[in-house]
This record gives sequence, structure tokens and C-alpha cells, in this order.
Amino acid sequence: GENVEQHPSTLSVQEGDSAVIKCTYSDSASNYFPWYKQELGKRPQLIIDIRSNVGEKKDQRIAVTLNKTAKHFSLHITETQPEDSAVYFCAALGGGADGLTFGKGTHLIIQP
Amino acid sequence: DTAVSQTPKYLVTQMGNDKSIKCEQNLGHDTMYWYKQDSKKFLKIMFSYNNKELIINETVPNRFSPKSPDKAHLNLHINSLELGDSAVYFCASSQLDRVYGYTFGSGTRLTVV
Repeated sequence: GENVEQHPSTLSVQEGDSAVIKCTYSDSASNYFPWYKQELGKRPQLIIDIRSNVGEKKDQRIAVTLNKTAKHFSLHITETQPEDSAVYFCAALGGGADGLTFGKGTHLIIQP
Repeated sequence: DTAVSQTPKYLVTQMGNDKSIKCEQNLGHDTMYWYKQDSKKFLKIMFSYNNKELIINETVPNRFSPKSPDKAHLNLHINSLELGDSAVYFCASSQLDRVYGYTFGSGTRLTVV
């Protein structure tokens, strides 16, 4: 099955700086890569996603890049704000109905 | 009008008991899932189910069983609860033939004492 590795496990950045979280996946058949943000005590919520036929996608301060050859994808957050503090999960979806495989999460801390 | 709803939100129970967590989605999705989030925040899939098939993660003990009375519901039944079952359980749904992100329920925090 799919295996998703996510780094770093904790990331601390100064407010206003950029944050980058990286993930790799193992299944070359995976074709959909969402990113979720989970605030303390709440459900994971989709913030951005990318499909395998696209190399980059941007939505305001967040962007995701995908390198299918290398089987890795990254989340970029620019001009970080205190409300960006949360746990971020990358995920990959292969064929079939066996569900998203998640990375282990990155705890992003925005220092004032 | 919550898209994916779970009940209860909190569940505290003794070892050895049997309990159920209910999940309902009103999105018209054809596939539902159960995920377990442990104390280290790792989200691990337990089951996925649509009208055609049930896929079980091989690491899930057979004390856990999903039950789907209809397309909009996927309940999780747990027999003989153990201390290690304490976690947050999330239900989610998606439409299999569309490559969309999943919608998660608000979670059920299960504490076994």
C-alpha cells in the first residue's frame, strides 16, 4: 500500500516568515494530494489540494508543489500569521477505495 | 446542516465494554471511512466502505466492526474495549468517482478506563 513520509515533525517560524513542509509518497499510482490543517481539538480541514496532472497550485498565502518523478510534494505558507499555528497533514490517494494515506503531521508554531 | 456528523463527541467507558459510535453524512457521498488518531496525532485509516466493498486495514483488530445501515451512515462498533483503544475516532466521506478531498466529522474522543 501507500506510504507517506512527512517532514519536519515540528516547525517553528517567526511571524511573517515562510514555512515549508515536505512529503514523499511511495505509490506511483497515487494521483491526488491534499493538505489538511488541524487546530487543537478540531477536525482536520482541507486547505489545498493538487492532482497529479498539475505541478503547482496557489491559493492566496498557501501553495503546493508536486514533483511526480521524485514522488514528493510540498506545502508553502508565506507571510505566516499566528492563526496559521496548527498541525498540518499531507496525504496521498491511490486507486481504489482504500482511502487517503496521511503523513504523520507537522506541528507548525508561529512565534510572535 | 453539518455535512458529516458523529455522535457522541466524548465517550468514557470501562475496559471490556462494547460501544458504538455513529456517523452520518448528508453530502450524498458514496464512500465513508473511519480513521483513528492516536495521542501522537497520527491519522490512520481503519475502514473504507462504499456500496460495493468494505476495505479493512489489516492492522485493525477484529473487535472493531463497521456497520452501514444505508449509504448515509457508517457506524463503528467496538467489542471488549481495551485501554489502547483510547483515541480520537474520525469519520469521513467522499465521492469515489470524483477526486475531491474528504470531509471529516468532528471526531469522537474515546477514553477507556
